[in-house]
Amino acid sequence: GAGVSQSPSNKVTEKGKDVELRCDPISGHTALYWYRQSLGQGLEFLIYFQGNSAPDKSGLPSDRFSAERTGGSVSTLTIQRTQQEDSAVYLCASTSGGGTQYFGPGTRLTVL
Amino acid sequence: GENVEQHPSTLSVQEGDSAVIKCTYSDSASNYFPWYKQELGKGPQLIIDIRSNVGEKKDQRIAVTLNKTAKHFSLHITETQPEDSAVYFCAASEHSGNTGKLIFGQGTTLQVKP
Repeated sequence: GAGVSQSPSNKVTEKGKDVELRCDPISGHTALYWYRQSLGQGLEFLIYFQGNSAPDKSGLPSDRFSAERTGGSVSTLTIQRTQQEDSAVYLCASTSGGGTQYFGPGTRLTVL
Repeated sequence: GENVEQHPSTLSVQEGDSAVIKCTYSDSASNYFPWYKQELGKGPQLIIDIRSNVGEKKDQRIAVTLNKTAKHFSLHITETQPEDSAVYFCAASEHSGNTGKLIFGQGTTLQVKP
């Protein structure tokens, strides 16, 4: 079946602009995660959604970052007033209860 | 919180040789340890995982060992092939089971020379 999809695959924006990144998880997966991967670095946890529970936002680096998950499926990560240090690959993963985290291909964000 | 250290950062081996990547973790409550392979321009893909009630797990040319006392785990790839060239990440789950967030190591770039 279809895996996790993310859009856009690449996004170039100017400093100060807002961006929205989209994640479509695997159908039926109840949990969804966002991670950030800076150049040459490991993955850094950002936020976690599980069913109807309140999300775990403990990894969001600043209040410019927010995310929502509508209808328990699609998720959008929003970065307001982007800064150059926000440049990274943003990865989304989904999992069913107790299952493997399956990653999407990521969105490469470049802030000029 | 959990901290995962991964070594080496780069590893170059000849085709057919073995490769070993090591990780240590800090939180004794972590009990799920996956390994991911990431090829250029793609998202990470799970290659093997282990839970803390098991000391070793093997899948064809890939094996993972876990030492809970020392809080370290290792990935072993035998008979390496050029297509094994990629970045490998270890991770640890901070919560019971694997429904929680993963804490990743910094990654190891493996190059297998033909």
